[in-house]
Amino acid sequence: GQQLNQSPQSMFIQEGEDVSMNCTSSSIFNTWLWYKQDPGEGPVLLIALYKAGELTSNGRLTAQFGITRKDSFLNISASIPSDVGIYFCAGLGGAQKLVFGQGTRLTINP
Amino acid sequence: DTGVSQNPRHKITKRGQNVTFRCDPISEHNRLYWYRQTLGQGPEFLTYFQNEAQLEKSRLLSDRFSAERPKGSFSTLEIQRTEQGDSAMYLCASSLASGLTDTQYFGPGTRLTVL
Repeated sequence: GQQLNQSPQSMFIQEGEDVSMNCTSSSIFNTWLWYKQDPGEGPVLLIALYKAGELTSNGRLTAQFGITRKDSFLNISASIPSDVGIYFCAGLGGAQKLVFGQGTRLTINP
Repeated sequence: DTGVSQNPRHKITKRGQNVTFRCDPISEHNRLYWYRQTLGQGPEFLTYFQNEAQLEKSRLLSDRFSAERPKGSFSTLEIQRTEQGDSAMYLCASSLASGLTDTQYFGPGTRLTVL
């Protein structure tokens, strides 16, 4: 099925470092969502973006809706151990179904 | 807890058996979605309801799969004659569709293992 191109696939960083990940698509989306998923659990919504060019923060997280509506990025500042997990971008187009990226697995060395 | 709930959390079954999962959405959310997630992949859309009407079904949803949302509240997803390829995490999400926004909130999922 259709998927977004999410990168990087995995990241290994030191505690305290900043993190950046992004998603690109050949299709236009009206909404971009970023989720975090822990093992054995469902995705938890982190940030929702509704307008092209929108920049939104949620604590140490910042995300932007690309001006072309075909991309989005997520930044995490000053990473802490509880940031470990898999981060997914998801786009919502004209249909109501979310299209997900492949995920970015974040590992933090204390 | 007023989030999306799913039951059971885990289900182990033998090939050929039928299984049914339940999802209780966030109260007053009018849309309910089912997704399937296999290991190392992002969730993939299966189907969604607006109130009690099933409005879209993915080609992933074979004729062995059926979903219902009677009375527009909770939903069930049934898989008949399970196959080993059905092993996956089944995720439910709900949203309150309003204008152009349709932010979906996920439940904890049901992990299905078919032996």
